[in-house]
Amino acid sequence: DAGVIQSPRHEVTEMGQEVTLRCKPISGHDYLFWYRQTMMRGLELLIYFNNNVPIDDSGMPEDRFSAKMPNASFSTLKIQPSEPRDSAVYFCASSLRGPEAFFGQGTRLTVV
Amino acid sequence: SQQGEEDPQALSIQEGENATMNCSYKTSINNLQWYRQNSGRGLVHLILIRSNEREKHSGRLRVTLDTSKKSSSLLITASRAADTASYFCATDVTGGGNKLTFGTGTQLKVEL
Repeated sequence: DAGVIQSPRHEVTEMGQEVTLRCKPISGHDYLFWYRQTMMRGLELLIYFNNNVPIDDSGMPEDRFSAKMPNASFSTLKIQPSEPRDSAVYFCASSLRGPEAFFGQGTRLTVV
Repeated sequence: SQQGEEDPQALSIQEGENATMNCSYKTSINNLQWYRQNSGRGLVHLILIRSNEREKHSGRLRVTLDTSKKSSSLLITASRAADTASYFCATDVTGGGNKLTFGTGTQLKVEL
């Protein structure tokens, strides 16, 4: 298995633009997580899904953030409109029933 | 907010020496895990210890858990330059749906 695949690896966008981050979890995994990593706040859980259903989105910072999982093999995290303080590395991770999570390589987002 | 605090924040040792890092957490947990993150990469699961376990070994890794003190330690024996990375503890709680809360991380540098 190729592991969790995220795209793009790097994204530079201007403030106010819409940004869409993509994730393909490991086949067969039933949990999908979106994390954000910054120097100031470390690793924060934004939202997670179980069997494609959003379970806990309490970590989503604002209404500008939204996430979807239309099927078991694809998820998106959208920021609209983006702001400079959204600059961070965004990780997608998946797991199969247990707590061991498998992380993607991350998307480094820079909003200028 | 971060569940775990790690200590030290940074650690520099010589190849062949042992490295010990500590993690403290705030609430009762179900499991505690340790992850490694190489620069610019995603997190990789190293080892999991359950709340009813006190010690676990995996290769050169030794993890201890003291639930009365809400703390864990990760020992890497006979360190190698390739062990240079950031190390994070992560906890999950019963009923939390495999949601992980990460510590602040320890940056380990192993010098030749």
